[in-house]
Amino acid sequence: GAVVSQHPSWVICKSGTSVKIECRSLDFQATTMFWYRQFPKQSLMLMATSNEGSKATYEQGVEKDKFLINHASLTLSTLTVTSAHPEDSSFYICSASYPGQGSGELFFGEGSRLTVL
Amino acid sequence: AQSVSQHNHHVILSEAASLELGCNYSYGGTVNLFWYVQYPGQHLQLLLKYFSGDPLVKGIKGFEAEFIKSKFSFNLRKPSVQWSDTAEYFCAVVKAAGNKLTFGGGTRVLVKP
Repeated sequence: GAVVSQHPSWVICKSGTSVKIECRSLDFQATTMFWYRQFPKQSLMLMATSNEGSKATYEQGVEKDKFLINHASLTLSTLTVTSAHPEDSSFYICSASYPGQGSGELFFGEGSRLTVL
Repeated sequence: AQSVSQHNHHVILSEAASLELGCNYSYGGTVNLFWYVQYPGQHLQLLLKYFSGDPLVKGIKGFEAEFIKSKFSFNLRKPSVQWSDTAEYFCAVVKAAGNKLTFGGGTRVLVKP
């Protein structure tokens, strides 16, 4: 099946710094990628939809200046957590839809665990 | 906005037991329905899906799910589980014309050998 990869798998940073997480579709081109956040023992919450070549669409309550998303190519979307604080500590997961697949059928990255000290 | 609820947060059962995980959604329009699974240390992956047609769908590893439109349900079943079915299972829904997948809270399943 299609492969989506995230990097880094885990990152620890100091409060106030910015952290970039990359999401790559390794063997297909993804015009749309999705970024989710998962709190401990909770479900995945959609943060934003990343569209290649255009601005991301953020879900209600997600600060777009806090979580910068860039989808500069058909195989790469990045999520930058700016001025990170401890409450931003979470598990971030990206996903992409394979061209021609039905709506909602996604391939997921392995996730990136962010810990802000 | 649509929402998805899964009935159980944790399920513990022995090998060869039958498994049924409940899932209900709230949205009156046409939806696509999914069960995703996350095995320990692995990516979330598709277990099975329903778009249209036969409401009883079969997925990988012997899993099946039944869409009951009148009950807004999409329950997952497996007649006889194996230790390797230990995982977290997520029900998910998307509007048929949309692209935003909404997940249920997940059910952690532990199969004892």
